[in-house]
Amino acid sequence: DIQMTQSPSSLSASVGDRVTITCRASQTINTFLNWYQQKPGKAPKLLIYGASSLQNGVPTRFSGSGSGTDFTLTISSLQPEDFATYYCQQSYSTSRITFGGGTKVEIK
Amino acid sequence: QVHLQQWGAGLLKPSETLSLTCGVYGGSLSGYYWSWIRQAPGKGLEWIGEMDHSGSTNYNPSLKSRVTISVDRSKNHFFLNLTSVTAADTAVYYCARGAAFDPWGQGTLVIVSS
Repeated sequence: DIQMTQSPSSLSASVGDRVTITCRASQTINTFLNWYQQKPGKAPKLLIYGASSLQNGVPTRFSGSGSGTDFTLTISSLQPEDFATYYCQQSYSTSRITFGGGTKVEIK
Repeated sequence: QVHLQQWGAGLLKPSETLSLTCGVYGGSLSGYYWSWIRQAPGKGLEWIGEMDHSGSTNYNPSLKSRVTISVDRSKNHFFLNLTSVTAADTAVYYCARGAAFDPWGQGTLVIVSS
């Protein structure tokens, strides 16, 4: 299995801050990396696919980068509605899809 | 715009079989993988398995012996069966489309308790 390791597991930030979340794969996954946002009681929402492509309707303050084993999700200016948990997910191994453990973004 | 609606029994006893249905509305099953994903209370996301439009399946090895994903193309529905459930299977279960999962169903809380 491809293990996905996210860091940090949680962070505190203020509105307007620049926030960076990292995701590391245990082996190369090219750019088969997706990012999701999940709010309490809701299904996850796809933000970024293919490591850096913004899903339709997602604000441009969200961006993704990376390839191979190391990836980053950046929120350029944190907004009140961005406080949530974020997950990375690899789709390189489509017969064994795996998620990162999640990063909870909380209000400082 | 494709919309997923899911339903099924929410309370099971240990050893029973979990059965969920995901209806695909506004689009076809063809050309995509269709997955089931679960989330135990307070925990992260766990991929259960997937099926393509032809019925070919892949399963999480940790669940493979108990899981079946199937399809009814005439109704544009796909299904999850998980046998011999235990308390460890208590979770919110989601259906979703694709390898980059979008859209998702609304989620179904399944509680396993005696």
